[in-house]
Amino acid sequence: AQKITQTQPGMFVQEKEAVTLDCTYDTSDQSYGLFWYKQPSSGEMIFLIYQGSYDEQNATEGRYSLNFQKARKSANLVISASQLGDSAMYFCAMRERTSGTYKYIFGTGTRLKVLA
Amino acid sequence: NAGVTQTPKFRVLKTGQSMTLLCAQDMNHEYMYWYRQDPGMGLRLIHYSVGEGTTAKGEVPDGYNVSRLKKQNFLLGLESAAPSQTSVYFCASAGPIGTDTQYFGPGTRLTVL
Repeated sequence: AQKITQTQPGMFVQEKEAVTLDCTYDTSDQSYGLFWYKQPSSGEMIFLIYQGSYDEQNATEGRYSLNFQKARKSANLVISASQLGDSAMYFCAMRERTSGTYKYIFGTGTRLKVLA
Repeated sequence: NAGVTQTPKFRVLKTGQSMTLLCAQDMNHEYMYWYRQDPGMGLRLIHYSVGEGTTAKGEVPDGYNVSRLKKQNFLLGLESAAPSQTSVYFCASAGPIGTDTQYFGPGTRLTVL
């Protein structure tokens, strides 16, 4: 079963508008971390934002915020005031501890296109 | 401070050839990971290491071997390349703290003919 699910293969958003990228996760651990990464067409993976499972407040980093709903097991990324440079692939990932080691599990990604 | 570097950036192999991908990090991280990225499949973990001298299998380890003889280096080997191993390979490292993100290398694009 998928541990990280991103149901939107592709999304369009108008420049300057906000957009939400969906991510749901599945874990039985109490302690875990949730991450979002951006992958532009150049290919590098860029860390955007982190949310710990015990954090009560939603994480924010500039124009990025993570809408964390623990009971629903969702960790949606909200990008406010979209810019053309936000066009990229976005990956949700979960860090969990299994057998005493940390592993990261990635979703299949959402391709975001920002329209001028 | 170079972060995570990968060598080479591109490579073309013929079926049956072998090669080694090198990953190096200068952040004194304990954890290192090798992933492959294929269209529509996100990143899948091949092998990982929790410290010098240790390695463990990830989700898709078949056809690959790894070694971590030095803390800063993590090598990924393909003994007999197959077309199914055509992919983009990413190395990443992370510290042991729960809030640590992974730091990624720039990737290696491998084509097996």
